[in-house]
Formats: sequence, structure tokens, C-alpha cells
Amino acid sequence: AQKITQTQPGMFVQEKEAVTLDCTYDTSDPSYGLFWYKQPSSGEMIFLIYQGSYDQQNATEGRYSLNFQKARKSANLVISASQLGDSAMYFCAMREAYSSASKIIFGSGTRLSIRP
Amino acid sequence: GAGVSQSPRYKVAKRGQDVALRCDPISGHVSLFWYQQALGQGPEFLTYFQNEAQLDKSGLPSDRFFAERPEGSVSTLKIQRTQQEDSAVYLCASSLVVEQFFGPGTRLTVL
Repeated sequence: AQKITQTQPGMFVQEKEAVTLDCTYDTSDPSYGLFWYKQPSSGEMIFLIYQGSYDQQNATEGRYSLNFQKARKSANLVISASQLGDSAMYFCAMREAYSSASKIIFGSGTRLSIRP
Repeated sequence: GAGVSQSPRYKVAKRGQDVALRCDPISGHVSLFWYQQALGQGPEFLTYFQNEAQLDKSGLPSDRFFAERPEGSVSTLKIQRTQQEDSAVYLCASSLVVEQFFGPGTRLTVL
């Protein structure tokens, strides 16, 4: 069965510092996709970044990068030069297979707080 | 509209009442998902539609939960005889290829 584990319930980081949010996953399917979503206090889920299991390079989107270590089954999110607006809940998620028809399994989330 | 919309944004129901939550997906998106998010937790899958066909309803917690998408566009999640444990945010998402686009959610409070 699929499982996503986020071991950091909360993190505090100084503005402009880089931050790494941890995520490990478990699946027996060789084809899967990994996602990170941001959920501010307003409640909407904002897509940040995606990594396919067969992608050779780590995904990057602006200040976000995904440190994908397939053998260790980890998919950590790295945010460079953190900003006050980065304060939010962050969810790691996985979908088995590449099809849009597959449900997404979410982790329990990490609450990130950026200090000025 | 440009994104997924949901209505109502907030719903308060007395225990035992029936509620209906609406989701308008992004136009042209074939896949539609419903998730339930309890306070302080990650969203949990409820059900999935491909066009009008409900292909996966394995996450529905009981037979009091029912979802439909009769014309392959708008979807309604209905909860009958609501109970306090149904209090949560209900998120709808639509997808075309890879990314799932989420709506703002409906916060349901059952008193």
C-alpha cells in the first residue's frame, strides 16, 4: 500500500535562509509521481512541484526544487531564499502510475513558519 | 472561470441533516476528485470521476456519502444524516494530465 511520511510537524526558519522539508514514501508500483502542495491559512491547495519516478533529473520550479533519491524513497522539498509568504502548511503527496485517473495520497504535512 | 470553484464555502448543519456540496471543475478537465481534510491533517481521498463515470469510490467512509457527476462536468457530494465526525473541509480537484487543481474547499461544521 502507498504511504507518505512527513516527520517534521513544524519548522521555524529565518527569512532568506534555505529550508528542506522531509518526505519519504512507500510504494510497490514502479511508476509513480510525487507532488508537493502548499496550503496557506486561507485553505487553498497550491501545486508547487512534480517529480515522476522515471525522471532522471530533479525537478525545479523557481525557488522550489525536489531532492529525489529513489533508492532511499525520499522526495525532500528545498525552498531557497525563504520569504515571509512561504509560511504555510506543506504537503508531500504521491500518485501511483502516471495516469490522471489515480488518486493522490497525502502526508500529514509540515507547518513552516518564516521568521523576519 | 479560470479555476475550480466550490459552493458553499461554509456550511453549518445540525446533526441528522442532509447536505449537498457542489464542485465546478475547470472546463475540459476529464478527471474530478473529492477529498476530505480533517483539521490539522492531510486530505484523504473520497472518490474519483472520469467524465460522468464514478470509477473509484473506495474512500467514501460510509453509505451516507454519495457523489454524482451526471453530465461529466459539475459534481455534487451529498452527505445524508450528518454526524459530528463529518465535520471537515471537503476539497474538490480536477485534472487533465498530471497536476490536480484544487478548489477552495467547503468547510462543513456539524453541530
